[in-house]
Amino acid sequence: DSGVTQTPKHLITATGQRVTLRCSPRSGDLSVYWYQQSLDQGLQFLIQYYNGEERAKGNILERFSAQQFPDLHSELNLSSLELGDSALYFCASGKGTVSFYGYTFGSGTRLTVV
Amino acid sequence: EDQVTQSPEALRLQEGESSSLNCSYTVSGLRGLFWYRQDPGKGPEFLFTLYSAGEEKEKERLKATLTKKESFLHITAPKPEDSATYLCAVQVGAGGTSYGKLTFGQGTILTVHP
Repeated sequence: DSGVTQTPKHLITATGQRVTLRCSPRSGDLSVYWYQQSLDQGLQFLIQYYNGEERAKGNILERFSAQQFPDLHSELNLSSLELGDSALYFCASGKGTVSFYGYTFGSGTRLTVV
Repeated sequence: EDQVTQSPEALRLQEGESSSLNCSYTVSGLRGLFWYRQDPGKGPEFLFTLYSAGEEKEKERLKATLTKKESFLHITAPKPEDSATYLCAVQVGAGGTSYGKLTFGQGTILTVHP
């Protein structure tokens, strides 16, 4: 157990729907990162939050949004889902805004859009 | 644009047969190079961070090295339990929209046969 908790582990939904993925960081970590992993694109950075504030943004689609709450857990919202959104979504957490010591990944949420 | 290229894409070894994985990068202002291990269906697990050319780090049968253009992950006398995908990632200058973002390579799938 890495200490980063992601729920749900698996999610199957239909095109056009909206889903919410949840992440609880390791105790003491203030940064949360979201990544998408697909077979053709590999691991792609989506967004980073630090202590409730957005700090960095990758190629995150406008249909996707995220937030980090006062208790530091984070949610990634995916809307108007398309078949191509099917992927593994990972959350990672780290102590600072820039984690030179490597941040810790959760076990991921596997999203399947049908 | 930051680029990370890993080779080979896949590597099959016999138990005890040492080899190296390569990670070449083209970035502006490297702050750190990371190696992760990923088992099927799980999140990446942090192995090493390298900060400057000439640096080396070791952990059990793994040794990571860094030059100005590439990094190597040397695997000495591998065992079947070393079978996994090995991912290389770079972190560039912090600040602005970069902060903690990691740019990953596509990975090398290592299979060690008994």
